[in-house]
Amino acid sequence: SQELEQSPQSLIVQEGKNLTINCTSSKTLYGLYWYKQKYGEGLIFLMMLQKGGEEKSHEKITAKLDEKKQQSSLHITASQPSHAGIYLCGAVHTGGFKTIFGAGTRLFVKA
Amino acid sequence: ETGVTQTPRHLVMGMTNKKSLKCEQHLGHNAMYWYKQSAKKPLELMFVYNFKEQTENNSVPSRFSPECPNSSHLFLHLHTLQPEDSALYLCASSQDGENTGELFFGEGSRLRVL
Repeated sequence: SQELEQSPQSLIVQEGKNLTINCTSSKTLYGLYWYKQKYGEGLIFLMMLQKGGEEKSHEKITAKLDEKKQQSSLHITASQPSHAGIYLCGAVHTGGFKTIFGAGTRLFVKA
Repeated sequence: ETGVTQTPRHLVMGMTNKKSLKCEQHLGHNAMYWYKQSAKKPLELMFVYNFKEQTENNSVPSRFSPECPNSSHLFLHLHTLQPEDSALYLCASSQDGENTGELFFGEGSRLRVL
């Protein structure tokens, strides 16, 4: 099994709807990162979470890190076509130095 | 200029060809990385360079050969690749090689091996 599991693998939502993407780690996290990737392009950093219970927002995107620091959720409010892309969570585990990534969640927003 | 620039953006090569991917960062960072992204698989870390020294080789086959002449430039030399090596190759940089901060990615080089 992968060290970072993302769910769902893909998601189709109607414009204006809310959605949530989850990222679960098999190990305690030192830091959790959310990136967005437009299809076939590089990754754009969204936010980083480190403290258990931490919550950050970037425009209409909010991410939380649970208290036990092994799971994060990313929530998009009132989705727009511009939100479409691949959302990847990346993590550095406690005692580790490499950023590993989940397989990504492909988001499609129907206008 | 964008922060991290990769060339070429697209490359098609035969299994007997030799080609190179280039990455340049204009952010003053000290660490640079090569990642491989295949369809529906997690990003795979290939190599890490910190202050021009290779600090990570993630069991990458020898047909991939990295080169880091200075902190701003990173190359990936390709030789006798296999069709399964077709993927998006992403270069990234960070302030340091501790990898505890944000990674800045290039747009990627889409490689197809015939």
